[in-house]
Amino acid sequence: DIQMTQSPSSLSASVGDRVTITCRASQGINNYLAWYQEKAGKVPKLLIYGASTLQSGVPSRFSGSGSGTEFTLTISSLQPEDVATYYCQKYYGAPFTFGPGTKVDIK
Amino acid sequence: EVQLVESGGGLVKPGGSLRLSCAASGFTFSRYTMNWVRQAPGKGLEWVSSISISTSYIYYADSVKGRFTVSRDDAKNSLFLQMNSLRAEDAGVYYCVRDLLGIGDSWGQGTLVTVSS
Repeated sequence: DIQMTQSPSSLSASVGDRVTITCRASQGINNYLAWYQEKAGKVPKLLIYGASTLQSGVPSRFSGSGSGTEFTLTISSLQPEDVATYYCQKYYGAPFTFGPGTKVDIK
Repeated sequence: EVQLVESGGGLVKPGGSLRLSCAASGFTFSRYTMNWVRQAPGKGLEWVSSISISTSYIYYADSVKGRFTVSRDDAKNSLFLQMNSLRAEDAGVYYCVRDLLGIGDSWGQGTLVTVSS
């Protein structure tokens, strides 16, 4: 099975900072990669799919890139409401494995 | 508006069984693959199972294979997860998730499963 890893596991940044999270697949998954945001006590929310397509309604400060085995989620200007845990997930065939998550908070 | 409402969670002893349900509304349920995703307390998200349109294919995570059974009733717009031989590590919130070409685009609020003696 393809394994998904994320780095860092957590980060702390200032409001307005550019934040980048990396997700790696143990084998190539083309661009079958989604990113989800989970705020404390809330249901996970789809942010990006196809590695780089922004889900409707998601602020444009979020962006995704990558293909194959390495992907990134970027928040161009971190906002207080972006405090959350971010997960990548591959959907290139079962099992549809999630990464372990990256916790983002404000410095 | 898409709505997914899970039910059936609760406290069960190790080795016991539980049946989760998910009532769907606001979309044509029969046209979507559906998933179960769980989250253990303080842990990350774990995909559990997928059932396709017309039950053409069904997949399970290795951690639940042979113990859990997913099913759907398109006439009742409902998704189910029969969980047998439950273990402590099965505890957590179970989410019903609508699948759009592999992507979880809508999530229910979740139902809590507690496995303890």
